[in-house]
Amino acid sequence: GENVEQHPSTLSVQEGDSAVIKCTYSDSASNYFPWYKQELGKRPQLIIDIRSNVGEKKDQRIAVTLNKTAKHFSLHITETQPEDSAVYFCAASRGKAAGNKLTFGGGTRVLVKP
Amino acid sequence: EAQVTQNPRYLITVTGKKLTVTCSQNMNHEYMSWYRQDPGLGLRQIYYSMNVEVTDKGDVPEGYKVSRKEKRNFPLILESPSPNQTSLYFCASSLSAGSQNTEAFFGQGTRLTVV
Repeated sequence: GENVEQHPSTLSVQEGDSAVIKCTYSDSASNYFPWYKQELGKRPQLIIDIRSNVGEKKDQRIAVTLNKTAKHFSLHITETQPEDSAVYFCAASRGKAAGNKLTFGGGTRVLVKP
Repeated sequence: EAQVTQNPRYLITVTGKKLTVTCSQNMNHEYMSWYRQDPGLGLRQIYYSMNVEVTDKGDVPEGYKVSRKEKRNFPLILESPSPNQTSLYFCASSLSAGSQNTEAFFGQGTRLTVV
């Protein structure tokens, strides 16, 4: 089955700096790669996603890149703010063929220091 | 308001005492799933359902059961809970859109402790 590895497990950045989280996946049939943000005590919420026919997607201060050949994808947060402090999860899916199943990475705890 | 609702939010129980965690969504989503979240392991899928009366095992189904008698509800049943099922549980739902994934919406989570 699919295996998703996520690095780093913790990331501390100064406010205003950039943060980068990297994930690798094992199943070349995966075609959907969402990123979820989970604030302390809250549910995971989708912040951005990318499909395998796209190499890069941007939404204000966050961007995701996908390298299908190398089977890795990354989340980039620019101009970090204290409210970006949270746990971030990457995930991969093969879509309906796998019951819409999301395989998650282990998570990255991001701390933005003021 | 579109949402996924889980109950209870917190539960402490004893080993072997059957329990059910309910999950309900009001978005008419076909897909529903249960995940457990453990430190360092991310979220791992327990069971999923592609539609009414259609359920299948995820990655960690041992010790759990589910049912999908109605589209909106997807309860998680622990027939004989054990301490290794102490975890944070999330229900999620998403819309069917051809062969592609759509956004998964998560419930508020249920923190279960089995002593």
